[in-house]
Amino acid sequence: DQQVKQNSPSLSVQEGRISILNCDYTNSMFDYFLWYKKYPAEGPTFLISISSIKDKNEDGRFTVFLNKSAKHLSLHIVPSQPGDSAVYFCAAIHSGTYKYIFGTGTRLKVLA
Amino acid sequence: DVKVTQSSRYLVKRTGEKVFLECVQDMDHENMFWYRQDPGLGLRLIYFSYDVKMKEKGDIPEGYSVSREKKERFSLILESASTNQTSMYLCASSFSLGANVLTFGAGSRLTVL
Repeated sequence: DQQVKQNSPSLSVQEGRISILNCDYTNSMFDYFLWYKKYPAEGPTFLISISSIKDKNEDGRFTVFLNKSAKHLSLHIVPSQPGDSAVYFCAAIHSGTYKYIFGTGTRLKVLA
Repeated sequence: DVKVTQSSRYLVKRTGEKVFLECVQDMDHENMFWYRQDPGLGLRLIYFSYDVKMKEKGDIPEGYSVSREKKERFSLILESASTNQTSMYLCASSFSLGANVLTFGAGSRLTVL
C-alpha cells in the first residue's frame, strides 16, 4: 500500500518556465511534508518542507502547496533552471513517529 | 551544517561476502536511518535507530542487520550479500522524532556480483 504517490515518473520543462511536481498521499495522519532533490550518485538534499497547519511555504524559487482536503502536495519551481534537473522525492511523516514515507520520485529535466 | 558521512561511495562485493556500510553524523542527532534506493521504488527504510544500542526494523529488514554502539555512528551489515542487494544505500539522521528534516549522506553504491 503506497501511502505517498508521485504519479509522474518524469517531466520536461523549458528553461525559465514553471515546473510543477505533484504528490498525493492517503494517510490523513501525516502532518509534515518534505521535498528532496537528488542528483545521480549523490544523496538526497532537502529542499523545502511544509507543516499541515499551513497551505503554502516559499523559499526563493521554490514554493510548496498543500491541499489537505485533496491530500495533495505540489512543488513549484519558478523560473526553472538547467541545474534543477534531478529526481525529486516528496516525503511525509506523522509527528511523534519516526517513519518518513517517500514517493517514488519524479525526474525533472529542464531544457536549455 | 549537519554532516552525514558514509565511508564508502562505491563497493563491489561477491555473493556470500559480509559487507559493512558505515555512517557517521556530526550534529548529535538522536535518530539514524538506513534506506535503500532502487529505480521506480523510491526510498525504502531498512532499519532505524533512536538511541545508542536501540534499533527498529523498517519496511525491508530481511538480509540486513545494524549496529549503533555510539550515538554518532550507525552501521549497516549484510551478513551474506546477495545479488538482489545491489542498490544505492543511503544513511540519514534527524534531530528527534516527528516533524524534522531528514539529512542524508552521499550514498554508497553497492554492487554484488
